[in-house]
Amino acid sequence: GENVEQHPSTLSVQEGDSAVIKCTYSDSASNYFPWYKQELGKGPQLIIDIRSNVGEKKDQRIAVTLNKTAKHFSLHITETQPEDSAVYFCAASRGRDTGGFKTIFGAGTRLFVKA
Amino acid sequence: GAVVSQHPSRVICKSGTSVKIECRSLDFQATTMFWYRQFPKQSLMLMATSNEGSKATYEQGVEKDKFLINHASLTLSTLTVTSAHPEDSSFYICSARGQGNGSGNTIYFGEGSWLTVV
Repeated sequence: GENVEQHPSTLSVQEGDSAVIKCTYSDSASNYFPWYKQELGKGPQLIIDIRSNVGEKKDQRIAVTLNKTAKHFSLHITETQPEDSAVYFCAASRGRDTGGFKTIFGAGTRLFVKA
Repeated sequence: GAVVSQHPSRVICKSGTSVKIECRSLDFQATTMFWYRQFPKQSLMLMATSNEGSKATYEQGVEKDKFLINHASLTLSTLTVTSAHPEDSSFYICSARGQGNGSGNTIYFGEGSWLTVV
């Protein structure tokens, strides 16, 4: 069945450095790709998303890129801060017109930002 | 962004009793809600998908008679863990998908509910 692979599973960076998390999806009908941040003991929060009609989207220190041909999408966090430490999940979803909604999540990346 | 409220955030119950967790979409109508279970340091495990006014669709291996899901309105879904056992202790998270306004694909999560069965 369809799946989303996420790498790395754990990422440790120094404060101020950049962090990159990569995901690969298998369902070619996917057209919506959200990223979620989950802090300890809390529910995941949507931090950024991208739809298949664009290749890149940026929101302050966070950016997401999408390569539909290769079925890759990535999360980029620049100038990392200790409060960026959390678990990040990527997801791939297909829309209403392509066989019904279906969202598949990656396994998560635990990001540690060292002060 | 849209808000999904989950209640209670923490609950302790005795073995053999039932406990209900509520999930509400506060500022949008959610035609579909999802329930997940998450073990420590692991990813989200989808338990079931519920559409308003119809029976929930359970993932393989999830007992529908143990985890009762009701989605009676466009803003409320409930998960009832029946005859709870200590192994049911976990972090349960709901999410809701909006409709219309171009947000049909976007899923918003609740804050999660910690269930401890003693």
